[in-house]
Amino acid sequence: QKEVEQNSGPLSVPEGAIASLNCTYSDRGSQSFFWYRQYSGKSPELIMFIYSNGDKEDGRFTAQLNKASQYVSLLIRDSQPSDSATYLCAVYTNAGKSTFGDGTTLTVKP
Amino acid sequence: EPEVTQTPSHQVTQMGQEVILRCVPISNHLYFYWYRQILGQKVEFLVSFYNNEISEKSEIFDDQFSVERPDGSNFTLKIRSTKLEDSAMYFCASINIRESYEQYFGPGTRLTVT
Repeated sequence: QKEVEQNSGPLSVPEGAIASLNCTYSDRGSQSFFWYRQYSGKSPELIMFIYSNGDKEDGRFTAQLNKASQYVSLLIRDSQPSDSATYLCAVYTNAGKSTFGDGTTLTVKP
Repeated sequence: EPEVTQTPSHQVTQMGQEVILRCVPISNHLYFYWYRQILGQKVEFLVSFYNNEISEKSEIFDDQFSVERPDGSNFTLKIRSTKLEDSAMYFCASINIRESYEQYFGPGTRLTVT
């Protein structure tokens, strides 16, 4: 089993729709959870982080965390073509170590 | 806005040569990281560094790799004898652990081993 598993892509949604990205992790001791966006050839760019169970909203983005189910998700509302990128889920067991998922490629079609 | 910088942006080297990749983390950050991303693959954790010593390292970070903070600003990754499979993007990142675990990534160094 992969340490961090993301829903297989690619994911394609029409402009204005909600994009839903999912991630599961295996280490119950994981403490913090991050979503990054990565454009081709560029470095990861932090979108959201979440530490506690529940929802966290920031503009069009909502992160959801369920530690009991070892599940974290990212919702993008009103998707725009500029949101087209690869989205990376990263799980931190402590400050010293992080594990990234394989990424989900999102395409938002105009 | 402060940012992590990396040099060079692209390094080409021959197999068996030593390379040093350089990073300047954000000045008040305390934890530093190196990651590798082979073209088309996932971001892989290599090593973290805190208080002038390695905090964690992955299985990838074998004896061919070393890290150093030679002065108050630079953080380096050395690969002693490069192999073809070391060709990848190498990202440096840093965090201010007093505030959060948010990692700030540098733009990366593309290493090509021929």
